[in-house]
Amino acid sequence: AQKVTQAQTEISVVEKEDVTLDCVYETRDTTYYLFWYKQPPSGELVFLIRRNSFDEQNEISGRYSWNFQKSTSSFNFTITASQVVDSAVYFCALRNTGNQFYFGTGTSLTVIP
Amino acid sequence: DAGVTQSPTHLIKTRGQQVTLRCSPKSGHDTVSWYQQALGQGPQFIFQYYEEEERQRGNFPDRFSGHQFPNYSSELNVNALLLGDSALYLCASSLMTGFRDEQFFGPGTRLTVL
Repeated sequence: AQKVTQAQTEISVVEKEDVTLDCVYETRDTTYYLFWYKQPPSGELVFLIRRNSFDEQNEISGRYSWNFQKSTSSFNFTITASQVVDSAVYFCALRNTGNQFYFGTGTSLTVIP
Repeated sequence: DAGVTQSPTHLIKTRGQQVTLRCSPKSGHDTVSWYQQALGQGPQFIFQYYEEEERQRGNFPDRFSGHQFPNYSSELNVNALLLGDSALYLCASSLMTGFRDEQFFGPGTRLTVL
């Protein structure tokens, strides 16, 4: 069975603070992809990053960074120097070889000016 | 190159009615998946269509059915609507053989059942 858990339902930070969104996943597949999506109030899922199960190298993209650890089945997302525009709901997801997505319940991030 | 498009944007129905939602995949994609996202929840997989057949199905009742046309576009039909069917319905397209490829999501159709 596949499952993605985002234990943080809501997070509030003050602008310019760093914030880490946690994601823990479960799967018996050896090949899979992990994703982070941002969902603004408009509803469309905005792709942020994709990592495959064989690549544990951490990645940094501007103010965003991701920490993938297979040993703990975690794929955490950090926003450095948060901005008001980062306010949104963030979803972690796992995609299996059948191209089916399993989403977490999302973390609502509010950045306070 | 148009991405995934969905219509209509919003829809209001009453209990017991039937609804049809439409999705056009990104150019070059042959697989369409449908997701239901209830308020405050993550998207839940409904089913996936490839070569005009349902290939995978999530834990949804038979009231939810679909169709894929030769041009790869797809419809999601929901019969005997319940209040609990109110949600954002997302369509995603991909290539069946493209596990490494990106899966693109449409903007969604927000369905309200009164």
